[in-house]
Amino acid sequence: AQKVTQAQTEISVVEKEDVTLDCVYETRDTTYYLFWYKQPPSGELVFLIRRNSFDEQNEISGRYSWNFQKSTSSFNFTITASQVVDSAVYFCALLSGAGSYQLTFGKGTKLSVIP
Amino acid sequence: SQTIHQWPATLVQPVGSPLSLECTVEGTSNPNLYWYRQAAGRGLQLLFYSVGIGQISSEVPQNLSASRPQDRQFILSSKKLLLSDSGFYLCAWSTRDTETQYFGPGTRLLVL
Repeated sequence: AQKVTQAQTEISVVEKEDVTLDCVYETRDTTYYLFWYKQPPSGELVFLIRRNSFDEQNEISGRYSWNFQKSTSSFNFTITASQVVDSAVYFCALLSGAGSYQLTFGKGTKLSVIP
Repeated sequence: SQTIHQWPATLVQPVGSPLSLECTVEGTSNPNLYWYRQAAGRGLQLLFYSVGIGQISSEVPQNLSASRPQDRQFILSSKKLLLSDSGFYLCAWSTRDTETQYFGPGTRLLVL
């Protein structure tokens, strides 16, 4: 069975601080995909990044960076120099198993960036 | 570019009334389509997915049903709503050669 754990329910930071959102996943499959989505107050889920299980290279996109470590089954997300517009609920998700369509989501981390 | 639409944006319905939520995708052909529900304080749950016209797979048994009458149209229905059907319903699509699912703006449903 697949499982995604986001242990941080809510995080508050002051603007310009760095913040890391944790994600730990469980799967027995050797091929899987990990995702991060952002859900602003409007509700729409915005896709941020996808990583394949066979590609552990970390990625940076502007102020966002992702650290994928298979050894600890973690896929953490760091926002550098946070901004008020980063305030949202962030979801980590797992797609696992050949031919699977079902994304398994974590319960989300609510990030509040205080000006 | 691809876009996904959902309507209505918000809906308030009495218990026992029928439901029809619509989702359409533009800018792509033969997409995989999905319905998710996000209940208050809970995560997202896949309800249905479809890999083609008339092909529907259900992930969770319930009083909801889905249909795909056209390639880029996905409909979520119920004959009689329950209080527990309240939530935020999200439609998503993906292409056949990528695993990434892209979500629509969602419909907030309140059953009273």
